[in-house]
This record gives sequence, C-alpha cells and structure tokens, in this order.
Amino acid sequence: ILNVEQSPQSLHVQEGDSTNFTCSFPSSNFYALHWYRWETAKSPEALFVMTLNGDEKKKGRISATLNTKEGYSYLYIKGSQPEDSATYLCGTGAQKLVFGQGTRLTINP
Amino acid sequence: EAGVAQSPRYKIIEKRQSVAFWCNPISGHATLYWYQQILGQGPKLLIQFQNNGVVDDSQLPKDRFSAERLKGVDSTLKIQPAKLEDSAVYLCASSIVGGYEQFFGPGTRLTVL
Repeated sequence: ILNVEQSPQSLHVQEGDSTNFTCSFPSSNFYALHWYRWETAKSPEALFVMTLNGDEKKKGRISATLNTKEGYSYLYIKGSQPEDSATYLCGTGAQKLVFGQGTRLTINP
Repeated sequence: EAGVAQSPRYKIIEKRQSVAFWCNPISGHATLYWYQQILGQGPKLLIQFQNNGVVDDSQLPKDRFSAERLKGVDSTLKIQPAKLEDSAVYLCASSIVGGYEQFFGPGTRLTVL
C-alpha cells in the first residue's frame, strides 16, 4: 500500500494572496498523480492528472508541478479568491487511487 | 453530460442496523469505484468494478460490506450490520475503461449512532 502525505493539513490565506501546498508520495512504481478540489457538499472535481516527471499543468490561476524521482507535487494558487476555499486532495495510481488526507484551504475576505 | 448520481445524500442509523447506498455512473463509463472517506483521512478504495465484474475488493470488509453492479450500470453498496466506525462519506466514481481520470459523485454522508 502506497503512503501519500499532504501538507499542511489546513491553511488560512488572505484574499488576493498566493499560496501553495505539497503532496508527497513513494517514487517507486509511479503511474500518475491526481489533484482534486472538493468543496463542501459537492462532488470532488478533477483539477489535474499528471504522469511525466517535470510536468507542469495550469488551469486559470491554479497550477501544479510534478517530480516523480523525488516523489512530490506542488499545487499553486495565484491571487486566491473566496471560491478557492475547499479541500484539495492528491492521489496516486493508475486506477486504484491512494489519496492523501487533503489540505483544507480557507480564503479570508 | 450528467454527472455521477448518488443517493441518499445523508443517512443516520443506529449501530447494528443495515444501510444501502446507490450510485448511477456517467453513461458509457464501464469502470465504477466505491471509496470510503473517514473524517480527517483521505478517501480509501473499497471496491472497483469493470462492467459487472469485480476488479479489486481487497480493502472491502467483506464480513459486513457488500456491493453489486448486476447489469453493469448502477451499483449498490450495503453495510450489514453497521458499526460506529463506519461513519464516513461514501463516494462513488466512474471512468472509461483504462482511463486515468475518475469522475466523482457528491457522496453519501453516513452517521452511525
């Protein structure tokens, strides 16, 4: 069983500030790294699926990087907005995903 | 395109009672997953179906949990009898065969008293 760790567990950020958080995972037998955004009472929403070492992906103000050799991924949010408040989950695997415990992000107006 | 549907959204039961959750995946998605997310932890895969066959149920507590996907579309997950530690959000997800991206439903929040 893989062990995926996310840090920090929770984060409070002022509106307009930029922020980032980390997902660490075992680098052996790597298939893919998934980032999801999960707002309260809604479905987890896929942000990125990344497979290649050095990969960088961007969606609007959110971007992610991947280092498969050292086993980590960073998620960046630029110019945080209140609607960014959510739990951000990372998971590894091809189909059987192993998730971290999530980073709960709160944006203060 | 309709997303993954789940019902009920919330359920409160007494310990030792039975409960069932229903999932309708995205049309055309042959692979269906059930995850359990206990408060403070990440989602944990319970069972994976491809069409109506089980691909992986290694983390399903088979003494009390069961799941089926009889016609390869909808699925039900049952707990009988429930324990306090089963309190969690039960998430259903679906994907195309071999696809990396999984699409999640809104989940069922179960509270066992």
